[in-house]
Amino acid sequence: GAGVSQSPSNKVTEKGKDVELRCDPISGHTALYWYRQSLGQGLEFLIYFQGNSAPDKSGLPSDRFSAERTGGSVSTLTIQRTQQEDSAVYLCASSSQDSGANVLTFGAGSRLTVL
Amino acid sequence: GNSVTQMEGPVTLSEEAFLTINCTYTATGYPSLFWYVQYPGEGLQLLLKATKADDKGSNKGFEATYRKETTSFHLEKGSVQVSDSAVYFCARFQGAQKLVFGQGTRLTINP
Repeated sequence: GAGVSQSPSNKVTEKGKDVELRCDPISGHTALYWYRQSLGQGLEFLIYFQGNSAPDKSGLPSDRFSAERTGGSVSTLTIQRTQQEDSAVYLCASSSQDSGANVLTFGAGSRLTVL
Repeated sequence: GNSVTQMEGPVTLSEEAFLTINCTYTATGYPSLFWYVQYPGEGLQLLLKATKADDKGSNKGFEATYRKETTSFHLEKGSVQVSDSAVYFCARFQGAQKLVFGQGTRLTINP
C-alpha cells in the first residue's frame, strides 16, 4: 500500500484479556519496527524485524508481549493478560533500507486502553 | 540510559519567533541523526536528517547541523508559524537497525 497501515486504530479492553495489533508495512519494505508511545514516556522501542526474523527484541517489556511477522510483510503484536500499564499508543514503522540512513515511515498507531 | 537527550518541553513561542530545540547524543562512531515530527492528530514523520559529521539537514525552514565536537544536533527555525505546533523528536540509530528517540519536545506557537 501507499503507507503503513495499522489496525485497530482504537482498542478498549478489560484487564486480563489478550489483544492483537496488526501492522501492514509499505510493500517491499524489509525492515519493520514496533514502538510504544506512552504519556510522558516518549517513544519506546519494542522490537524490529528484518524479513521474518527479529534480530532485536530487547525492548519487549515482559513475556506477555510477543510479535511475529509472516511472508516478510504483515506483523502482529500480541499482548497477553493485559494490564493497565499497557495502555499506550503502539506505533509500527517500516523501512526500505535503501540508503545509509534508514528512514522509517510510521503508521498512525493503535491506541490501546486497558480498563 | 537513553543515548539521545533533548530539551524538555513544553515550549511556547509567539509567531515569527526564533526556535531552538536542543538535542545531544552519546555514541561511539558517527551515527546518522534525525528529527521526526508529530503534528496533532497525525502520525510521526521524518522532518530532516544528517548522515555524517558537519552535514546540515533542512526541510520546511527547519535546520539542524551534525556537530561531532559537541555531539549535538540542535533543531532551529528562524521564524516559526502556528502550523509548526507539534511534538518534535530527536533520534539516532543504535547499532545497525535500532532507532532510539529522545523524550520529545512539545512546541506550541501562538498567533
